[in-house]
Amino acid sequence: DTGVSQDPRHKITKRGQNVTFRCDPISEHNRLYWYRQTLGQGPEFLTYFQNEAQLEKSRLLSDRFSAERPKGSFSTLEIQRTEQGDSAMYLCASSLQRVTSVTDTQYFGPGTRLTVL
Amino acid sequence: AQSVTQPDIHITVSEGASLELRCNYSYGATPYLFWYVQSPGQGLQLLLKYFSGDTLVQGIKGFEAEFKRSQSSFNLRKPSVHWSDAAEYFCAVGAGYALNFGKGTSLLVTP
Repeated sequence: DTGVSQDPRHKITKRGQNVTFRCDPISEHNRLYWYRQTLGQGPEFLTYFQNEAQLEKSRLLSDRFSAERPKGSFSTLEIQRTEQGDSAMYLCASSLQRVTSVTDTQYFGPGTRLTVL
Repeated sequence: AQSVTQPDIHITVSEGASLELRCNYSYGATPYLFWYVQSPGQGLQLLLKYFSGDTLVQGIKGFEAEFKRSQSSFNLRKPSVHWSDAAEYFCAVGAGYALNFGKGTSLLVTP
């Protein structure tokens, strides 16, 4: 069990640029989640996948945000035309869905710290 | 709607002293409750969870938490704090697929 990994760990970009983050979940986990955490706050749910299907995306912050999980393994989160308000930590988590549970135990990666200048 | 309140933004304890971090939740059904810890610049590490059964749950690093339905609380405790416990602690309630987090409590440990 190598844990959830995220790349890059840090990203500095200029306003208006596009950025993409990658998340590799724990290998046997079928669910993958993205959260955003701003300074002094708890993580805020953005979207999640079950295998390759994106089952919830209404809480993505704007249409500039999109996520994919093309083969049900790794996932990418893209932010287009970045704004200074997008500066935050972007966290990925994964879980193994169990039939009898409503909420799974989610394991988090180290996060990607985005700074928009 | 599901929500979590962590009333204490900052807590300072002396090394070796006991610790209790408060968490209150609002949820209509039986809650799935979690405590996570976050060191500076790092992701979240799961300390413990409550799904059902025994209301006193044990976690890693010597932490435990007690679910009290009547008080809508899930407080985290540790009998003797170590300097390495200094971190940000988050309580979360499972709301279907998503976790709703509190704003966190920052723990400072003094010598």
